[in-house]
Parts: sequence; structure tokens; C-alpha cells
Amino acid sequence: DTGVSQDPRHKITKRGQNVTFRCDPISEHNRLYWYRQTLGQGPEFLTYFQNEAQLEKSRLLSDRFSAERPKGSFSTLEIQRTEQGDSAMYLCASSLATGRNYGYTFGSGTRLTVV
Amino acid sequence: GIQVEQSPPDLILQEGANSTLRCNFSDSVNNLQWFHQNPWGQLINLFYIPSGTKQNGRLSATTVATERYSLLYISSSQTTDSGVYFCAVLNMNNYGQNFVFGPGTRLSVLP
Repeated sequence: DTGVSQDPRHKITKRGQNVTFRCDPISEHNRLYWYRQTLGQGPEFLTYFQNEAQLEKSRLLSDRFSAERPKGSFSTLEIQRTEQGDSAMYLCASSLATGRNYGYTFGSGTRLTVV
Repeated sequence: GIQVEQSPPDLILQEGANSTLRCNFSDSVNNLQWFHQNPWGQLINLFYIPSGTKQNGRLSATTVATERYSLLYISSSQTTDSGVYFCAVLNMNNYGQNFVFGPGTRLSVLP
């Protein structure tokens, strides 16, 4: 297993366009998380899944954002009608539901630039 | 929600120097981790340390849970230690399953 994979690494899009990011977690991890990180800040939680169920959403996740994990494996994060304020690094992480430290592991992120 | 503070915000060291980074948090935690974000954006988990002391090579960490702080020690720093160090905490009893990150300490190690 090569860890948490995210695709693409970079995305430049025009304001108003839709974008979709993909995250492939560590295969045995049943929890998957999305975070957003803006320049100079720490990552902020957006949403998380346990298997295919989306169990928690931050108020940062506006109605333009939607996340899915249809078969409990990979996940997608879609942003509709992108705005310049959406420019950020989008990080995915996965973990186990139990265990001492849950094996929390981050991917390398997708850097979104909205022009 | 739980608040996390880190100090100092920025730190510049000469190679070989030692440093201490601090993390304060506002409530009890089930999980505390230190991460290093390298210049390419990758977050690397350094320590899982909700309490006690751990060491890994030149790095060590101590968390005093009763006083709600954690310290990360870097000894004999190297240029590859440069990047941003984040403390992240989890209190699943009160605040759900997500980590809350501090603002980070940006470390620059000069050759």
C-alpha cells in the first residue's frame, strides 16, 4: 500500500467552473476525511466518512461543495461554480475507526487555484 | 470548539541548533499528534502523543495533558527539518471525529 493518494496534484480553473478531486485512502482504513488548507493556516476540517456514510460536515462545507464515497473506498470532492475564495490546498486523510492512534495518514493534497 | 495555539509562529535556526515548539489547547483531548508539513505540502505524522513523552531520533515530544500543553523538541537541527510544524488535537467526546489544527510554527534551518 502506498498511502493516501490524491488526484490531481494541481488544478487551475476559471471562476464559475466545476471541479472534482479524487482521494484513494489506505485500503484497510474505513474512515476518510477531507480538509482544506489556505495559505499560512493549518488544515480545517470539511467532512468525514465512515465506510460509505457521510457522518459529519463542517459549516465550511457550503452547498456548492459535495463529497461522496459511493462504495466505501475512494472518495470524490466536487466544488460547483468555483469562486476565488475556494483557492486552497484540499487534503484527504484516512484512518481506522479504532486503535491507539487510528493510523491517521494524510495524502499530498490537491492545490486548487481559481482565476 | 476546542482552541489550539502554537508558539513561536516563526523560528529561524542555524544548522546544529536545538529548538522547542509549544502547543497549548483549551480542553481535554483523546488524541494529540504533531505533524511536519514539508515544502511540497505533504503532512507527515511525527508523533501520536496524547500524554507522556516519546522520542524518535533527534525529535522528542512531551504532552502534559493535565496542564493542556505539548512540546516538540528538535535537537541538532538539519536543513531538512525546515517546514511547518502543526499540532493537532482530537476530542471525540465533545467535538466529533475531526482533528483541530493549530496555526503552525514555520521553521527555517539555515546551512
